[in-house]
Formats: sequence, C-alpha cells, structure tokens
Amino acid sequence: AQSVTQLGSHVSVSEGALVLLRCNYSSSVPPYLFWYVQYPNQGLQLLLKYTSAATLVKGINGFEAEFKKSETSFHLTKPSAHMSDAAEYFCAVRDPFGNEKLTFGTGTRLTIIP
Amino acid sequence: NAGVTQTPKFQVLKTGQSMTLQCAQDMNHEYMSWYRQDPGMGLRLIHYSVGAGITDQGEVPNGYNVSRSTTEDFPLRLLSAAPSQTSVYFCASSASTGWSTEAFFGQGTRLTVV
Repeated sequence: AQSVTQLGSHVSVSEGALVLLRCNYSSSVPPYLFWYVQYPNQGLQLLLKYTSAATLVKGINGFEAEFKKSETSFHLTKPSAHMSDAAEYFCAVRDPFGNEKLTFGTGTRLTIIP
Repeated sequence: NAGVTQTPKFQVLKTGQSMTLQCAQDMNHEYMSWYRQDPGMGLRLIHYSVGAGITDQGEVPNGYNVSRSTTEDFPLRLLSAAPSQTSVYFCASSASTGWSTEAFFGQGTRLTVV
C-alpha cells in the first residue's frame, strides 16, 4: 500500500526565512503526490501536485516541491515565509494502480515567528 | 459555484444517538469520500464512492454507514455514536478523469460525542 511520512509535526520559521516541510513516500512505482494546506477551521486546499510531467512543481502562494526518486521525497519549500503561511500542511499520495483513494500523511503545523 | 457543502458545521451528540452528516457537491464529480481528522493522525478514509450506487470501505469504516443514491449527495451515518467518534469530518469529491485529479474538500463538520 502507498504511504507518506511527514517528518516534523511542528515547524517554526521566522518571517522571511526559508520554509522546508518534508515528505517521503513509500512506493515501488512513481506515485501521484499532492500537498494540501489547511487554514484554521477550514477545509483542505490543494497547493500543488506531482504527476510525472516535471520533477519541480510550482504551486500557489509561492510554494514549490521537488520530486526526487532517488530519495523517495517530495519536500515542500518556499523561499520567504509570510505570516499568512501559518497553517497545517498535508502530503498525500494516490496509488497509480489502485483506485482513486488519497492517503494522507499526519500533517505538519507551520508557525511563523514575527 | 458552491463546490462541496457539508452540514452541519458543528454537532454535539450523546453516546448512543444516531445522526447523518450531509455532503453535497455541484461539480458532477463521480468520486466522493469521507475522512475523519484527529490530532497527530492526519486524515483517515472512512468510506468512499466511485459513482451513484457504488460504495466501499476505507481505512476506518466501523460505526459508520454510507449510501450514494445520486451523483450529488453522499451522506455519512453514525449508527450509535461513541466518544471515540469525536472528530472533525471532511467530505471530498473529485472527477474520475485521471489519477492526478485534484480532490475538493468541504469545510468540515466538528462532531463531539459526550
């Protein structure tokens, strides 16, 4: 079964600093990978997705992620953190040979320090 | 465009009571699913449906029931509420047009069982 592991349940960065949220997947074949963001008391919103067309994926709000097959990773980055980036971030995977179920990681809560 | 609509937003139940969480989408999506979100556990799949009349169990189906009589609606029934079902519930939908298809989420229902 496909799975993703998010390292660090809480990450704090200063405003203007680099944001790095880690996600590793387990799969014998390249999966379809997603990053979602959840703002307080809201549903989940898609940030970006990897679909094998390009290894560096750009998303909304200045976020991007790089798919690295050799490291089985899909880490999320943003060069300069903004206060509005404070939220919980989820990595998710969809099995290309299974049905359309999404499997989520346990989430990383991002705090921005003024 | 309303997207995915969940009702109610908040609910308090007594142990043993039953209730139905409503989910409706207006995007003509074939695939719909229910997740529960608990601290430190990410989102876990309860039940899903690949089309009207077709449902299947996810990772944590016990204590929940679903049906899909129309494309638009996918209600989740709690048969006899237990404190362990205290959680935030999310409904999601996606078009069955490919594995990279984005899932759209509702705003969530916060359920407390006392």
